[in-house]
Amino acid sequence: GEKVEQHESTLSVREGDSAVINCTYTDTASSYFPWYKQEAGKSLHFVIDIRSNVDRKQSQRLTVLLDKKAKRFSLHITATQPEDSAIYFCAARSSGSWQLIFGSGTQLTVMP
Amino acid sequence: ETAVFQTPNYHVTQVGNEVSFNCKQTLGHDTMYWYKQDSKKLLKIMFSYNNKQLIVNETVPRRFSPQSSDKAHLNLRIKSVEPEDSAVYLCASSYNRGGAEQFFGPGTRLTVL
Repeated sequence: GEKVEQHESTLSVREGDSAVINCTYTDTASSYFPWYKQEAGKSLHFVIDIRSNVDRKQSQRLTVLLDKKAKRFSLHITATQPEDSAIYFCAARSSGSWQLIFGSGTQLTVMP
Repeated sequence: ETAVFQTPNYHVTQVGNEVSFNCKQTLGHDTMYWYKQDSKKLLKIMFSYNNKQLIVNETVPRRFSPQSSDKAHLNLRIKSVEPEDSAVYLCASSYNRGGAEQFFGPGTRLTVL
């Protein structure tokens, strides 16, 4: 089955810098790639997603890039702020599958 | 603004007991889910429920069973808890099963002594 690997378990950046979180997946049939954020002591909430028919999607300070050949996708956060500090989870789902498979999470810390 | 509600927030119990967790969503979504998040924050899908169709992750032990009265409610029962069941159980919902944003509840933290 699908496996999603999240490469950075922790990431520290200075406020105002950019942050990049990378994920890889194994199933070439995967077609949907969302990202979720979990702040300390809270539940997950959706931040952005990308589907396999595009290779880039931007929403304000967030950009997701998808490289289907390399089976890799990444979340780019520009102009980071302390409130961006959280665990970020990438996920993938294959076409026709009901399961969203999550990566292991990246703890992003934005230092003032 | 919370739209997926879970009760209780916390539950402490002993090995062998039965527990039940509730989840309700007010978003009018068709699909609901249960996830388990362990102490390392790893997330694993357990169940999906859509239009009275239940799909079970085959790795979930049989002591776990979801229960739904209507599309807004999906409860989770654990028949005889074991220490490895200690985790946070997250309920979520989405408009449909295919590629839609999932909205998560606050979670129920289960501790098995």
